[in-house]
Amino acid sequence: EVQLVETGGGLIQPGGSLRLSCAASGLTVSSNYMTWVRQAPGKGLEWVSVFYSGGSTYYADSVRGRFTISRDNSKNTLYLQMNSLRAEDTAVYYCARDPYGSGSLFLDCWGQGTLVTVSS
Amino acid sequence: QSALTQPRSVSGSPGQSVTISCTGTSSDVGGYNYVSWYQQHPGKAPKLMIYDVTKRASGVPARLSGSKSANTASLTISGLQAEDEADYYCCSYAGTYTWVFGGGTKLTVL
Repeated sequence: EVQLVETGGGLIQPGGSLRLSCAASGLTVSSNYMTWVRQAPGKGLEWVSVFYSGGSTYYADSVRGRFTISRDNSKNTLYLQMNSLRAEDTAVYYCARDPYGSGSLFLDCWGQGTLVTVSS
Repeated sequence: QSALTQPRSVSGSPGQSVTISCTGTSSDVGGYNYVSWYQQHPGKAPKLMIYDVTKRASGVPARLSGSKSANTASLTISGLQAEDEADYYCCSYAGTYTWVFGGGTKLTVL
């Protein structure tokens, strides 16, 4: 069974840092285009970042320079390091996989999400 | 990377058809045939329904269809069923390896 499990969310003060993890089973993180998508409470989806299977990484303008996506192939885990956090980063963060990386965002497998709350 | 524009809500009776629009610009929806649609039930992760504007994901019934004209993509659901009640999000490639979602549309089955 293909499964993604996110951990690492919690309450953090503005300006703080947090690292999210996404442990994969039933699929190989390094062979997929692994993506982070977030959803603020009661709001819509927002694409955050992608780690291409070839190693390239890309970010939304809203997080570029503050967030870093990475992966540990030995642990089959995707990460999102979030620095200089702001109130507007408060959201449920989902990791998802795109097996093709061919243009359309083809996210066919999602985790359950982890809630990040940025507040003093 | 401005969010694509979707109606906040649409509704229809069982058996009817509804169409959800998704309006962007020539830099995203109008510039690429890379529009996908996701369905999200409350408290659940999104589910891929349509990709490449018109292609249905595995297991998605034929009564869901996608289309695009200029800067506006559309999702049509015919033969509405109670289980179709959910939030729907469009998503488009926006160039330079970035993607943008719409604000979401709440579909109510009356």
